[in-house]
Amino acid sequence: EAQVTQNPRYLITVTGKKLTVTCSQNMNHEYMSWYRQDPGLGLRQIYYSMNVEVTDKGDVPEGYKVSRKEKRNFPLILESPSPNQTSLYFCASSRKGLANTEAFFGQGTRLTVV
Amino acid sequence: KQEVTQIPAALSVPEGENLVLNCSFTDSAIYNLQWFRQDPGKGLTSLLLIQSSQREQTSGRLNASLDKSSGRSTLYIAASQPGDSATYLCAVKKTSYDKVIFGPGTSLSVIP
Repeated sequence: EAQVTQNPRYLITVTGKKLTVTCSQNMNHEYMSWYRQDPGLGLRQIYYSMNVEVTDKGDVPEGYKVSRKEKRNFPLILESPSPNQTSLYFCASSRKGLANTEAFFGQGTRLTVV
Repeated sequence: KQEVTQIPAALSVPEGENLVLNCSFTDSAIYNLQWFRQDPGKGLTSLLLIQSSQREQTSGRLNASLDKSSGRSTLYIAASQPGDSATYLCAVKKTSYDKVIFGPGTSLSVIP
């Protein structure tokens, strides 16, 4: 089954404790990205990657890091989480170059930073 | 800068009604437009994808149209059911490499 898998689904952590949210897709997609969703602000892109070893900032990259060492994985790293990073996070993937290519989303990771 | 809006923000209808959700975008030069459904606290499920060269797509009780020149898309839901209750998001892509820009969503409640 084609899917984007995020882990963990839920996470509560303390300020300053480094964490990683993993994202994996099994569709051989080139393009992957991370979004956060906040009430009243909608979905905003954090980082994206057009292929292995190619990453770039989205709209709200501050406080986040990403890496793309393999095509299927695109982890989101919070080196020193802060309470304003409490949010619902989504990973997405899609093929590039085709107008009929859908964006597939993971089930989300609800992060609470206390 | 591309901006996407959705009207109405919330909608409550009795079961069985046909309904229309609206999506507007400011830059008509889009690659495709996608409609998603999101259940509370859950992920996004893709409903329909319309390429820039297409005018509509259908899937079951759902029909989505696209008018690029006016910057509008509509999602038509026929014979609504309580299970259709969710938030519906539209999103546009400017190029094949671009991020997906989302509208704020329409929260739909279908009353039994």
